[in-house]
Amino acid sequence: QITLKESGPTLVKPTQTLTLTCTFSGFSLSTSGVGVGWIRQPPGKALEWLALIYWNDDKRYSPSLKSRLTITKDTSKNQVVLTMTNMDPVDTATYYCAHSSYYDRPNAFDIWGQGTMVTVSS
Amino acid sequence: QSALTQPASVSGSPGQSITISCTGTSSDVGSYNLVSWYQQHPGKAPKLMIYEVSKRPSGVSNRFSGSKSGNTASLTISGLQAEDEADYYCCSYAGSNYVFGTGTKVTVL
Repeated sequence: QITLKESGPTLVKPTQTLTLTCTFSGFSLSTSGVGVGWIRQPPGKALEWLALIYWNDDKRYSPSLKSRLTITKDTSKNQVVLTMTNMDPVDTATYYCAHSSYYDRPNAFDIWGQGTMVTVSS
Repeated sequence: QSALTQPASVSGSPGQSITISCTGTSSDVGSYNLVSWYQQHPGKAPKLMIYEVSKRPSGVSNRFSGSKSGNTASLTISGLQAEDEADYYCCSYAGSNYVFGTGTKVTVL
């Protein structure tokens, strides 16, 4: 059974850097075709894709946020970390991580974490 | 990259069929058969309902179906049920990134 869980601060100040961790089980990020992505959702608004890291360390970023995002993986710990610099109140959102498998359900996010709410405020 | 365009709301009576459109461009929906659809109930994480335009993951009701024509993908829910009331989002691969839709609230009358 695949599960993912996001963790990190619930409150950050403007201009600070946000670091979120996705801890997963039931799969390995060293398995060919597997990826973990990050998606966020401001309160009452739509989903927005942020970043994705693949088993081979290939990394993809949202073009509009690329300069602020870094995604990394620690295969031994079953974790994926997303950092976002220069946080602003508009970045207030629920942040989700999600599993993707190219060979099972290509380019889709089939299992999601519960999400973690991050508020940006001074 | 702009969000894919979806109607803000769609409604139907129990038992009816409804269709949600998802309009993109030739750089995303029009170029790849890699559109997925997600259902999200209030306060819950999204759930994958359709992938690769028209494929259903195991466990998803066959009342949900997907299609695509040109730059527009569609999700059809047949035999509408009360439990289908939720927000729905499309998502398309766009070459090196992904783009989600604006979201559609489905109301069961």
